[in-house]
Amino acid sequence: RKEVEQDPGPFNVPEGATVAFNCTYSNSASQSFFWYRQDCRKEPKLLMSVYSSGNEDGRFTAQLNRASQYISLLIRDSKLSDSATYLCVVSLEEYGNKLVFGAGTILRVKS
Amino acid sequence: DAGITQSPRHKVTETGTPVTLRCHQTENHRYMYWYRQDPGHGLRLIHYSYGVKDTDKGEVSDGYSVSRSKTEDFLLTLESATSSQTSVYFCAISKNTGELFFGEGSRLTVL
Repeated sequence: RKEVEQDPGPFNVPEGATVAFNCTYSNSASQSFFWYRQDCRKEPKLLMSVYSSGNEDGRFTAQLNRASQYISLLIRDSKLSDSATYLCVVSLEEYGNKLVFGAGTILRVKS
Repeated sequence: DAGITQSPRHKVTETGTPVTLRCHQTENHRYMYWYRQDPGHGLRLIHYSYGVKDTDKGEVSDGYSVSRSKTEDFLLTLESATSSQTSVYFCAISKNTGELFFGEGSRLTVL
């Protein structure tokens, strides 16, 4: 079983739609959680950190469920510019608290 | 912008040749990382460094070595490149908050 798993998608949604991604992780001792965004042939860029209480940044909301060991990302009012791959990132204790990346979920927003 | 530059950005080489990728940072960060990214696998940690001359292995370190003789430079070396090392290589630094910031990537093709 992979340490961090994501649905690869692609998720094809119309502009204005709400879309949600989930990511599961295997190590219950994980401490830090992030969502990154990666555009085609570009480097990953931090989208947002995920806190235990959940957090929101404009149209983006991230949630953490420690009991079920998953994090989620909700995007409201999708824009064409949201089209990208979204990477779930978790710190895993067996790697000395270094970050481990999921393979990513592809989002395509269409007009 | 985390002040990270990678070189070369693109390289084509033949099996059995040595290859060195360079990562240069301008902000004096202690931690530096080398990841590779392949379809279906996401980003996987090769090696990381926690200071000058201090390095450690990641999950896919076989066939790779690293060196860090100065804070600003972290070198990744493939002593004898193989076709399985065809990949996109990303250098990253981490800031005090734990997030990673990436260079633009080095695309390596081993024929």
